[in-house]
Amino acid sequence: SAVISQKPSRDICQRGTSLTIQCQVDSQVTMMFWYRQQPGQSLTLIATANQGSEATYESGFVIDKFPISRPNLTFSTLTVSNMSPEDSSIYLCSVAQETEAFFGQGTRLTVV
Amino acid sequence: GDSVTQMEGPVTLSEEAFLTINCTYTATGYPSLFWYVQYPGEGLQLLLKATKADDKGSNKGFEATYRKETTSFHLEKGSVQVSDSAVYFCALLPNTGGFKTIFGAGTRLFVKA
Repeated sequence: SAVISQKPSRDICQRGTSLTIQCQVDSQVTMMFWYRQQPGQSLTLIATANQGSEATYESGFVIDKFPISRPNLTFSTLTVSNMSPEDSSIYLCSVAQETEAFFGQGTRLTVV
Repeated sequence: GDSVTQMEGPVTLSEEAFLTINCTYTATGYPSLFWYVQYPGEGLQLLLKATKADDKGSNKGFEATYRKETTSFHLEKGSVQVSDSAVYFCALLPNTGGFKTIFGAGTRLFVKA
């Protein structure tokens, strides 16, 4: 199994600013995933982060808005840039090992 | 591509009623299947899982059986409690090509005392 720590757990940010979310895993993993959960919605994959290469973004998500770093096999960051109220969501980090996926507790972001 | 379809909510039940939340999937190969639960204001929690055909996952009185022939993974509980009120997500993890978890839309359950 994998234990994932995410920071911060929640934040309230001013529009136009950026927030960086950190994700730490207790074991080495090849791929890490970032999801967004908008209010009342399901989880949508933002991107896949691989160590040593650029992240792979899903349709509708771009690097300029959601830059991702993956400096090693246990850590990743997601930045939400130039925020607007529409970015208010829960952001979750995830890893997959064999037949199971593990999720962090999420970062609850409110943009005012 | 791979996808998950689950019944729309909200579902409203009285305490001790029987619960079924339908979930069907489309996937190549043999994905793992999951039910996650999200209680109000909380994070995502794994409720149960099944990794191969005919496996039954169970936890806290909930159960779901991996049916390959009908591509289904319906969630059931014999007697719901008020504390079961939450949003339930059906999800699959493919065993090929990227290992990205795919979620259904979620079903909100309200249980009345």
